[in-house]
Amino acid sequence: DGGITQSPKYLFRKEGQNVTLSCEQNLNHDAMYWYRQDPGQGLRLIYYSQIVNDFQKGDIAEGYSVSREKKESFPLTVTSAQKNPTAFYLCASSPPGGEQFFGPGTRLTVL
Amino acid sequence: GDSVTQMEGPVTLSEEAFLTINCTYTATGYPSLFWYVQYPGEGLQLLLKATKADDKGSNKGFEATYRKETTSFHLEKGSVQVSDSAVYFCALSRQGNFGNEKLTFGTGTRLTIIP
Repeated sequence: DGGITQSPKYLFRKEGQNVTLSCEQNLNHDAMYWYRQDPGQGLRLIYYSQIVNDFQKGDIAEGYSVSREKKESFPLTVTSAQKNPTAFYLCASSPPGGEQFFGPGTRLTVL
Repeated sequence: GDSVTQMEGPVTLSEEAFLTINCTYTATGYPSLFWYVQYPGEGLQLLLKATKADDKGSNKGFEATYRKETTSFHLEKGSVQVSDSAVYFCALSRQGNFGNEKLTFGTGTRLTIIP
């Protein structure tokens, strides 16, 4: 089955630690996206990538980093510089000019 | 910049009631408009979309019409079911480079249907 997988589903981090969230898609989509979801604030774009080896900052990129070495994979690292990282993180992908398809999400909690 | 404003929740209705969730947008040009649904603990699923003025998107009994004159895309359903309980997001998109779309979301409306 084609789709987007995110792992892990739940992630706990101690303050001061970096942590990497995985996003993989087998839809052959060029574009991939990372969003952060907080209660009452909808989704906000962190980073997006339109092709391999290229990515751009979204609206709230500070404290996050990404890489796009393969078309299928777009991992997100939450660094210790992110002041309030507890949130629900959603990955998405899309074909050119097409709708975005979302993964099931990773809930990150800082202890 | 682009923005989406949608009806604040939570919204609680009885089963078989009529549903309206309001959504208005601010954008230049002709964005595409979407409604996404999020069930508890899951990612977002596209519910319906409309790509030009006066288009009507529909799916699973839900409908929304792209009204450019009022910059609105209100979601409606004639008879809701308990299984419709979820969070609903209105969104607009623009085509960036390479033809890929960037989405701007509203804050979401939580809908609860009581049997």
